[in-house]
Amino acid sequence: AQSVSQHNHHVILSEAASLELGCNYSYGGTVNLFWYVQYPGQHLQLLLKYFSGDPLVKGIKGFEAEFIKSKFSFNLRKPSVQWSDTAEYFCAVNENNAGNMLTFGGGTRLMVKP
Amino acid sequence: EAQVTQNPRYLITVTGKKLTVTCSQNMNHEYMSWYRQDPGLGLRQIYYSMNVEVTDKGDVPEGYKVSRKEKRNFPLILESPSPNQTSLYFCASSLLGGGRNTEAFFGQGTRLTVV
Repeated sequence: AQSVSQHNHHVILSEAASLELGCNYSYGGTVNLFWYVQYPGQHLQLLLKYFSGDPLVKGIKGFEAEFIKSKFSFNLRKPSVQWSDTAEYFCAVNENNAGNMLTFGGGTRLMVKP
Repeated sequence: EAQVTQNPRYLITVTGKKLTVTCSQNMNHEYMSWYRQDPGLGLRQIYYSMNVEVTDKGDVPEGYKVSRKEKRNFPLILESPSPNQTSLYFCASSLLGGGRNTEAFFGQGTRLTVV
């Protein structure tokens, strides 16, 4: 079965610091990859997604992620975080032969200090 | 506006008292699913449905039921809630077929407390 690991459970940064959140998955075949963000008290919103093509994908609010197939990774990055980026971030993976099923990582809580 | 709507947003109930959480989407999506979110565990799928009258178990189905009588609605039923079902629940929908269709749209969440 697919598993998704987010190794950083809690991250605290100061504004303007750079961010990188790790995401690793276990399935070795073709995958579709997502990062979702959950602001306090709100539902999950899509930050970015990767299906094919350029492994460096850009999302909303200045976020980007890089798919490295050899490392089974899809790390999320932002060069300079803002206080408003305080949220929980979830990586999710869909195996190409598993229909619509999404497997989520455990989430990373990011706190950005003003 | 395209959306997934869940009700209620907050619910406190007692052990054993049947409850239903409703979910409705207006995007004509075939695929709908329910997740529970628990600290450190991320989102785990409870049940999913690929179309009307087609439902199947996800990773954590015990203690839950669902139905899909209409394409837009996918209620989650707890016949006899227990305290270990205290959690944050999300409904999601997407087009069917994998690949680009797997982008899921989520409801606002229902915070359930069972005492």
